[in-house]
Amino acid sequence: DIQMTQSPSTLSASVGDRVTITCRASQSISSYLAWYQQKPGKAPKLLIYKASTLNSGVPSRFSGSGSGTEFTLTISSLQPDDFATYYCQHYDGYPFGGGTKVEVK
Amino acid sequence: EVQLLESGGGLVQTGGSLRLSCAASGFTFSFYVMSWVRQAPGKGLEWVSGITGSGRGGTTHYADSVKGRFTISRDNSRDTLYLDMNSLRAEDTAVYYCAKDMDDAGDYLFHYWGQGTLVTVSS
Repeated sequence: DIQMTQSPSTLSASVGDRVTITCRASQSISSYLAWYQQKPGKAPKLLIYKASTLNSGVPSRFSGSGSGTEFTLTISSLQPDDFATYYCQHYDGYPFGGGTKVEVK
Repeated sequence: EVQLLESGGGLVQTGGSLRLSCAASGFTFSFYVMSWVRQAPGKGLEWVSGITGSGRGGTTHYADSVKGRFTISRDNSRDTLYLDMNSLRAEDTAVYYCAKDMDDAGDYLFHYWGQGTLVTVSS
C-alpha cells in the first residue's frame, strides 16, 4: 500500500509569510495528488487536484507542484483565513497524509 | 448548489449497529461516485467506503478496517447515500462525512463534503 507522509506536522507562521508544505508518496503516484484545507469543526475543502490544478473559487495565492513522489503546497502570502490544517491525498489510491496544521506564530 | 446532509449518527454500544444517511441535492446524484470519509477525534482523515455511479454499476469499495462490517449503498430514486455499520468498535468513533466525487471516474477525488455526523461507540 502507498503511504503518504506530510511535513511538517505543525507550522508556525505569520500573516504575509510564504508557506510551503511537503507531501511525499512511498512510491510514484504520477500526478494523482490533491490538497484539502480543513478548519476546526468544519468539513474539508478541496483546494488543488492533479497536483497543480486549482479548484474553482480557490484564491490564486494557493499553488501546488510536483509529480511522482514529492509534492508541495505553497501559500504565497498567508492570510488570516488560511490558518487551518492541510491534508494531501493520493486520490487514485485513496490514502490521506497525516495533515499539517498551520498556526499563528 | 450542491448540498450533502448527513444524519443518523449518535451513541451506540460496542458491538452495536447504526445506519448513516446522506441526502444529496443540487446535482445528478446517480451519476457520481459517492463516499464516506471519517475523522476520529483529533485525528486525520480516513476514507471508509465508496460506491460508483449508475454508469459504472454501483460498484462498492471498502477500507480494510471496515470490510465485512460496513455496507455502503445508494438509492438513486431518493438521492440518498447510506452506510450500514455493524459490529461497531471503539475505534470506529469518529465524525463521518459524506463526500461527492468530482466525476464518475472512481478515483475518489472528493469535490464536495457534507457537514458530518458524529458516531460514538462506547461500552
